[in-house]
Amino acid sequence: DVKVTQSSRYLVKRTGEKVFLECVQDMDHENMFWYRQDPGLGLRLIYFSYDVKMKEKGDIPEGYSVSREKKERFSLILESASTNQTSMYLCASSDGFPMNTEAFFGQGTRLTVV
Amino acid sequence: LAKTTQPISMDSYEGQEVNITCSHNNIATNDYITWYQQFPSQGPRFIIQGYKTKVTNEVASLFIPADRKSSTLSLPRVSLSDTAVYYCLVGDPRNTDKLIFGTGTRLQVFP
Repeated sequence: DVKVTQSSRYLVKRTGEKVFLECVQDMDHENMFWYRQDPGLGLRLIYFSYDVKMKEKGDIPEGYSVSREKKERFSLILESASTNQTSMYLCASSDGFPMNTEAFFGQGTRLTVV
Repeated sequence: LAKTTQPISMDSYEGQEVNITCSHNNIATNDYITWYQQFPSQGPRFIIQGYKTKVTNEVASLFIPADRKSSTLSLPRVSLSDTAVYYCLVGDPRNTDKLIFGTGTRLQVFP
């Protein structure tokens, strides 16, 4: 089974802290995605990557950056956490064109910024 | 990527058939229709994908009319465990490089 693992299930950080959310997939997938999910807003794409060291902005990249140094790992970075970044963060991976194959999601990281 | 419109929420009772319709009026010729399911506190998971007419698997059926401007996800005889959010996605599987989810349809199944 494909496994997408997010490093933390719950995280509490202070305003202004630099926050790293880690995601690892074990199926050699090319594509990796970071979403945030908020009540009433569905899943919104923050960044995605289709290859090592490649990244593309999604719909809401402001306040975030990403890193993909290895194929299996995709990190989401909050340079200076703010309270409006309190959310559920979901990582996903897929192979080839993501609409052509199944995308697999991690369990999510619920981040609270205080 | 074609814009999709779904009902915000639906209620049902155990044992009933549930049909969730998604509108995608500007669907392109090469676009496919894909549905994902998300249980509370979990990431979404793929349910079904289709291009036209009808697709069926062990979980659901997908009905797509000839004009393809809408599609209907059908869940036969739902149970409490089918309570989830269901997302409809539309895009070209040959050149779509990202997955865009909308707000989905929250299905609540009652005993």
